[in-house]
Amino acid sequence: KQEVTQIPAALSVPEGENLVLNCSFTDSAIYNLQWFRQDPGKGLTSLLLIQSSQREQTSGRLNASLDKSSGRSTLYIAASQPGDSATYLCAVRPGNTGKLIFGQGTTLQVKP
Amino acid sequence: EAGVTQFPSHSVIEKGQTVTLRCDPISGHDNLYWYRRVMGKEIKFLLHFVKESKQDESGMPNNRFLAERTGGTYSTLKVQPAELEDSGVYFCASSQGGNTIYFGEGSWLTVV
Repeated sequence: KQEVTQIPAALSVPEGENLVLNCSFTDSAIYNLQWFRQDPGKGLTSLLLIQSSQREQTSGRLNASLDKSSGRSTLYIAASQPGDSATYLCAVRPGNTGKLIFGQGTTLQVKP
Repeated sequence: EAGVTQFPSHSVIEKGQTVTLRCDPISGHDNLYWYRRVMGKEIKFLLHFVKESKQDESGMPNNRFLAERTGGTYSTLKVQPAELEDSGVYFCASSQGGNTIYFGEGSWLTVV
């Protein structure tokens, strides 16, 4: 059974710092992995999608990596800003279906 | 282009009542999903439609939940009768093929 874990559960950093959010999954047979952002009381915004054949994806200050063999993905945020404060969710897609398996999320606070 | 839209955004009902949640996917997306997040837990998959057909309903908690997608466009999720443990956020999402899954803002349900 696929399980997704995100560590840490919460993180507080000063503005400008580079940071890494971690996601691990127990079954390496995944179709893809998606990182989302959720602001309080809002829906999920897709940040990056990494297909199983890819190693990383980049969008602006965000870089997500994928190491299937070790069951790990990281989300790197460069030069963090207060506007980056949100909950970041990692989700794996086990096969070519719509079923995503989510982690509990990491709540990030970036202090001015 | 409109994103995934959900209605109502918030609902408070009494135990034993019925609630119907509606989701309009992104135009042209054949795949429509329902997920939910109950207090303190991770987001969990409920079911997946491909057009009007249920592709996977393995996440539906019990027979008090009924999802429909008549005509392959919008979908409804009915909870009847609602129980206290059904409180949470119900997310709808859509995608085309195996690509990025886009989520709506969620329908926040409180059963009292």
